[in-house]
Amino acid sequence: ETGVTQSPTHLIKTRGQQVTLRCSSQSGHNTVSWYQQALGQGPQFIFQYYREEENGRGNFPPRFSGLQFPNYSSELNVNALELDDSALYLCASSSPQGGGSNEQFFGPGTRLTVL
Amino acid sequence: QKEVEQNSGPLSVPEGAIASLNCTYSDRVSQSFFWYRQYSGKSPELIMSIYSNGDKEDGRFTAQLNKASQYVSLLIRDSQPSDSATYLCAVNRGSNYQLIWGAGTKLIIKP
Repeated sequence: ETGVTQSPTHLIKTRGQQVTLRCSSQSGHNTVSWYQQALGQGPQFIFQYYREEENGRGNFPPRFSGLQFPNYSSELNVNALELDDSALYLCASSSPQGGGSNEQFFGPGTRLTVL
Repeated sequence: QKEVEQNSGPLSVPEGAIASLNCTYSDRVSQSFFWYRQYSGKSPELIMSIYSNGDKEDGRFTAQLNKASQYVSLLIRDSQPSDSATYLCAVNRGSNYQLIWGAGTKLIIKP
């Protein structure tokens, strides 16, 4: 069974640039969630994709956008980067079941630094 | 009031003792509860999930859920130095499986 993978592991961008982060879900999982984690804080939910459709969004501006492909891999795009976008970006995959239970498994993350 | 609250710590526990980590949540409709461990610079790793009131044991770990009091706890028995990490509590309300997170408790196990 292949776990969740993310690329790249580290990225340095300058303010105003655009970035694309990639995630491959765990085998058998059809749902991908993206989180932003600033230093010393818990992850913050950005959005979730289920079967190629957005299935919920957190309190992030429209310049954060995403995509899910037929193989359930996903991309997170951030336009017009700001200094505050510097964080660890986490992708988690899951396979939702009835009853509201949902164990999410994380990839290694992408560390984004905006200068 | 934050939706999920944890004591930031650090919580210092001697090796071999029981470490007790607590988490409270504000939304009564929350359905699923998770404990993750996060080492510095790494991503969160799922330790335990719990959905019903009571205790759930897995090896040295026990999760406890009390929905009436809106708290969930994690006990680590026979604490080891390798347990030193930040422990994150996450809560799910079920509609779209979004996880709401606490800021984490830093646990230090002293040899």
